Parts: sequence; structure tokens; C-alpha cells
Amino acid sequence: GESVGLHLPTLSVQEGDNSIINCAYSNSASDYFIWYKQESGKGPQFIIDIRSNMDKRQGQRVTVLLNKTVKHLSLQIAATQPGDSAVYFCAENRDDKIIFGKGTRLHILP
Amino acid sequence: DVKVTQSSRYLVKRTGEKVFLECVQDMDHENMFWYRQDPGLGLRLIYFSYDVKMKEKGDIPEGYSVSREKKERFSLILESASTNQTSMYLCASSFLESTDTQYFGPGTRLTVL
Repeated sequence: GESVGLHLPTLSVQEGDNSIINCAYSNSASDYFIWYKQESGKGPQFIIDIRSNMDKRQGQRVTVLLNKTVKHLSLQIAATQPGDSAVYFCAENRDDKIIFGKGTRLHILP
Repeated sequence: DVKVTQSSRYLVKRTGEKVFLECVQDMDHENMFWYRQDPGLGLRLIYFSYDVKMKEKGDIPEGYSVSREKKERFSLILESASTNQTSMYLCASSFLESTDTQYFGPGTRLTVL
């Protein structure tokens, strides 16, 4: 498989449990945030986004929470499945650019 | 659905060769980007383009050039490939604003021997 994410923090979750992946951002002026999923050997795939005028947004099995006070973003995946195994990374708009975090590897335990 | 395609999934080249990586998007997006992705370093922006025939340097442009002759196509060129350019190369496109959501291609794993 691909070597992307060799040195990434890893979150191990039992299949069926909920996963929570966290991300800290640096710029209090950032007003748009995105979560991406990258499976082994593939390009990043858009999952969900949120604007700073919201603190929560839900998709299918995923929820993004935004805490602007502490500049923290989280992605919650409900009822984690083997197909959720991937690297997840957040992105923020900063200085008129999209800046990507380094990611967290989600490992699903059988 | 946005579709971003890259010409090759895997590529092996020799040191000193000229390498072309092609990217095509079919959603009439204005903006296109080239990144490389390496373990522990995340996504690093090489070059981007906000319009046809327009290009801007990203964070690590050295050793690369780009070409955008048509709106849908953005090419990354390695004039003389070196072993430290072995990496995963990702192309992305976005609609209009510089901070619009970027959609990625599948990536090209380039190995330079």
C-alpha cells in the first residue's frame, strides 16, 4: 500500500463504535473548514465542511463540530465501519488559501 | 460530481529525465493546484493557477514548472527529475474563489531512480 501518513497519529476504534477525530487550527479569522478522507492509494475525498457562523453540521453518519473559542474542530463518525479506515485531515481557509493539516489515521479494530 | 483525473497512477523515471504530469477537470473550475504529499509533511503546495495561462508559485516550486494552456488542463513539469522528487503528486481544482473547496484527483505516485 501507499506510504502516505507513515508518521501520523493513529486512532484505533472498535467496529461499530463512534470515532472522534480532532483538529486544532491557528487562525481565529478562518471562516471555513473542511474535512477530507484519504484512503490508501487514493486522493483526498471531500467529506463535509462548515462555516464559522455554525457550530455543528451533520452529514450521513458524520458530524463536524466547531469550537471557535478554543479554535478546535472535530469530526465524529457514527457506527464506524471497516470502510472508514483512512487518513482524515482538516483544512481551513487562511490568508486567502486553503491550508491542510497533516492528518490522523483511523484504524478499525474487528 | 466533480471529476479530476490524472494521467498516470504510477510512474517510474530516471534521474535527469523530463517528466510531465497531466491533470484534467471536467467541472469548468477556474482554479487548479498541484501538491506533493510525503510522510510526515502532509500536503505541500507546489504551484497553482487561477486562470488560463496564469500561474503562481506555491510553497515549494523549486525544481518544478507548470503549464495551463486550457482551462480544464493543468500540467506539472519536472525539468530534470531528481531522487528527492520521488513522491505522491496530487492535483486539485476548485470553483472560483481561492478558498473554495478543493476536489482532488487520484494522485500519481512518482518514483525517480
